[in-house]
Amino acid sequence: KQEVTQIPAALSVPEGENLVLNCSFTDSAIYNLQWFRQDPGKGLTSLLLIQSSQREQTSGRLNASLDKSSGRSTLYIAASQPGDSATYLCAVKFRDYGQNFVFGPGTRLSVLP
Amino acid sequence: KAGVTQTPRYLIKTRGQQVTLSCSPISGHRSVSWYQQTPGQGLQFLFEYFSETQRNKGNFPGRFSGRQFSNSRSEMNVSTLELGDSALYLCASSLNAVNEQFFGPGTRLTVL
Repeated sequence: KQEVTQIPAALSVPEGENLVLNCSFTDSAIYNLQWFRQDPGKGLTSLLLIQSSQREQTSGRLNASLDKSSGRSTLYIAASQPGDSATYLCAVKFRDYGQNFVFGPGTRLSVLP
Repeated sequence: KAGVTQTPRYLIKTRGQQVTLSCSPISGHRSVSWYQQTPGQGLQFLFEYFSETQRNKGNFPGRFSGRQFSNSRSEMNVSTLELGDSALYLCASSLNAVNEQFFGPGTRLTVL
């Protein structure tokens, strides 16, 4: 069964710190992996999409990497700000699971001013 | 370009009733997926439609159904509501199933 896990479940950091969120998945046969953020009670905002042939993607202060062989992805956030406080979700589209995302449980991030 | 829209944003129903939720994808997107989000189970895939055809279905009972129209708008229906159906229902659209998915704000369903 394809599964996605995220560590840590929650993280609290002071403003300005660089931080790394981790995502692990059980099968290396994937189409792509997408990182989202979700604010309380709201929908999901797409942050970065990494196709299976790519190793990393960057957008502003965000950098996501993908290592299919080890079943891992990391989301690096540079110079964190209070506005980055949200839940970050990793979603993987496995080849053997139709063409739909399996979501991790999320990492709840708090950036303290 | 307008994002994914979902209506209504909030719904309160009682057990045994049925409900229909609507999703309008981003213009040009032909794939629409539905997800259920609860505190206990997280985000779970319901079904995906592409060009009016259901391509994939998650592990939910037959009370959950959906459809897609020729303009790519999609509806999902839940019949004989149960308390456990209370959740945030999210719709996502993409050009195709392997492209980036964009989510709507969700419909918060409360079953009393």
